[in-house]
Amino acid sequence: LAKTTQPISMDSYEGQEVNITCSHNNIATNDYITWYQQFPSQGPRFIIQGYKTKVTNEVASLFIPADRKSSTLSLPRVSLSDTAVYYCLVGEVYNQGGKLIFGQGTELSVKP
Amino acid sequence: DGGITQSPKYLFRKEGQNVTLSCEQNLNHDAMYWYRQDPGQGLRLIYYSQIVNDFQKGDIAEGYSVSREKKESFPLTVTSAQKNPTAFYLCASSRVREAFFGQGTRLTVV
Repeated sequence: LAKTTQPISMDSYEGQEVNITCSHNNIATNDYITWYQQFPSQGPRFIIQGYKTKVTNEVASLFIPADRKSSTLSLPRVSLSDTAVYYCLVGEVYNQGGKLIFGQGTELSVKP
Repeated sequence: DGGITQSPKYLFRKEGQNVTLSCEQNLNHDAMYWYRQDPGQGLRLIYYSQIVNDFQKGDIAEGYSVSREKKESFPLTVTSAQKNPTAFYLCASSRVREAFFGQGTRLTVV
C-alpha cells in the first residue's frame, strides 16, 4: 500500500466545514483512495472511496486532483458527533500481498 | 444481518495465561485481519489471512498466534510470550477495496 501522510490532529467548531488532506506521493495506477472513521472503543467504518476527481455521498465529499498525489476529505457542517479519528488508505488489497495497513489517522475534535 | 462479531467485548487475563479472542464473519469474505490498538495510537496489523488454512504475519506478530480452519472464523490467541498484551483488539474482513470491522475486544492483564 502506498504510504500516506495526514495531520495528527485538527480542531473545528460545530457548523464549520472541515477539510482533511492526505498525501500519497507514490500512489500506483490501480490504487483507490479510501477514508475510514473511527469512534472511541469502536472499529473503523468506511466513509468514502474514490479514484479521481470528486466523489460525494450523504456523509462526505472526496476531492482528488489530477496527479492523485493527495486527496481531501471534506465534512460539511460538522457536529459534535463527527469527533473521531479519520484514516486515509491508498491501495487495492488483493494487489498488495493482502496487507491492509492503517496509518496514525487524523484526530478531529469538534467543539460547540 | 451480515457483519463481523467479536467476543467477548471485555476480557481479563492473569499474567502467564494464554487467551483466545473470537472473530466470526458471515459476509463471505476471503480476507480477514487482526489489529491491535493502544490508547491514542493507530491500528497495527498482527496477522492476516487471504484464504482458509493460510495466514501471514503482520507487523507485530510476536507473542500472538492465529488459525483459519473455516472461512467464517479467524481466532487470535494472545500467548504468555506477549510482553504487553493489554490493548484494544480489532478484527476485520474485506472485499477488494473495503474493510469491515467488528466492535473490538478490550483485553486487560491483571
